[in-house]
Amino acid sequence: EAEVAQSPRYKITEKSQAVAFWCDPISGHATLYWYRQILGQGPELLVQFQDESVVDDSQLPKDRFSAERLKGVDSTLKIQPAELGDSAMYLCASSLEENQPQHFGDGTRLSIL
Amino acid sequence: AQTVTQSQPEMSVQEAETVTLSCTYDTSESNYYLFWYKQPPSRQMILVIRQEAYKQQNATENRFSVNFQKAAKSFSLKISDSQLGDTAMYFCARLSGGSNYKLTFGKGTLLTVNP
Repeated sequence: EAEVAQSPRYKITEKSQAVAFWCDPISGHATLYWYRQILGQGPELLVQFQDESVVDDSQLPKDRFSAERLKGVDSTLKIQPAELGDSAMYLCASSLEENQPQHFGDGTRLSIL
Repeated sequence: AQTVTQSQPEMSVQEAETVTLSCTYDTSESNYYLFWYKQPPSRQMILVIRQEAYKQQNATENRFSVNFQKAAKSFSLKISDSQLGDTAMYFCARLSGGSNYKLTFGKGTLLTVNP
């Protein structure tokens, strides 16, 4: 079964540094999501794309976070500068359409020192 | 804010027994979807079962079934014949429409299956 690919799997960096995550959704999935999951809690949506367009970034801290999906396929999430509170699991998911089940990648576990 | 509530932070069950995980939600939408996702330790989130709100029949997937009570806004998950591999964090989630569909998760229930 096709999967959502994410890299890196783990990332350790110091505060104030820049960090980037990459996601490749399941082929043909128009909708792509980035979530942040704090340990022991459910994922919270950061940004949602429909093809190359952002449809919801209301919970994205735009002063330090940015996301793009330039060709409507893979996507990058960036944090600049990273803060201690950004330590979390960052999950990417995709779905065929926005009202269809979402399929998740393995996630990137970010630790800020 | 429209929420999804899982009132059981942790549960345990003996192998081969049956366990039920609770979930309640609120929504102002007439059309929505409900899901249970499973997240094993250090592994990816996997869809267990889904329910469309307009369907009265409870969804079933092998050993997993739901009890969907629309009026009470309740959506519980029953796992029959529990297996060691069922040990995981289980998240209830609601997908609501409106201007755009958004998936809202509960805080999760950590289920441990004991041998």
